Amino acid sequence: IAGITQAPTSQILAAGRRMTLRCTQDMRHNAMYWYRQDLGLGLRLIHYSNTAGTTGKGEVPDGYSVSRANTDDFPLTLASAVPSQTSVYFCASSTLAGADTQYFGPGTRLTVL
Amino acid sequence: GQNIDQPTEMTATEGAIVQINCTYQTSGFNGLFWYQQHAGEAPTFLSYNVLDGLEEKGRFSSFLSRSKGYSYLLLKELQMKDSASYLCAVRDSDYKLSFGAGTTVTVRA
Repeated sequence: IAGITQAPTSQILAAGRRMTLRCTQDMRHNAMYWYRQDLGLGLRLIHYSNTAGTTGKGEVPDGYSVSRANTDDFPLTLASAVPSQTSVYFCASSTLAGADTQYFGPGTRLTVL
Repeated sequence: GQNIDQPTEMTATEGAIVQINCTYQTSGFNGLFWYQQHAGEAPTFLSYNVLDGLEEKGRFSSFLSRSKGYSYLLLKELQMKDSASYLCAVRDSDYKLSFGAGTTVTVRA
């Protein structure tokens, strides 16, 4: 079944640890995005990639990094997790760089203690 | 940047109609989206407006007035399964989406 998968589903992490959230899509979408969703704040864009090999910063990029080695995968890395990074993280993709509807993965619930 | 406002919560009765308003201020406008998000799940696409007017899709309709920076999502013949959060999102001239905080709709029998 075509779509976007994210792993892990949930994770509890000690502060200071490194963590990579995985995102894979099989729709051959060019553009991919990472958002975080916090109560009362809505979805906020962390990083994006318009096409394989390129990335850009969103609204809240500090403390996060991404890479886009191929079309399908877009991992998000927290180099040294802090409690303020406790959130639900959604990966999304679209056919073109924003000029199309974005489709979301199921999310990763991350708790940093 | 974007400033997007929508009500936090709304409650309605099964079979009724509910209208969720969204106002926005933007440095560049390139379309408005509505997404539905059930608790613990991913947002799913509902509707898209880029020109003024009403877009109808079954029980759901969305309206846009660019001059007023205003949109609404109309849910008709409410069903229990419509209980969810509804997210208004504005796309800017760089094709980035900015989301409102969402409106939680509770449908009661």
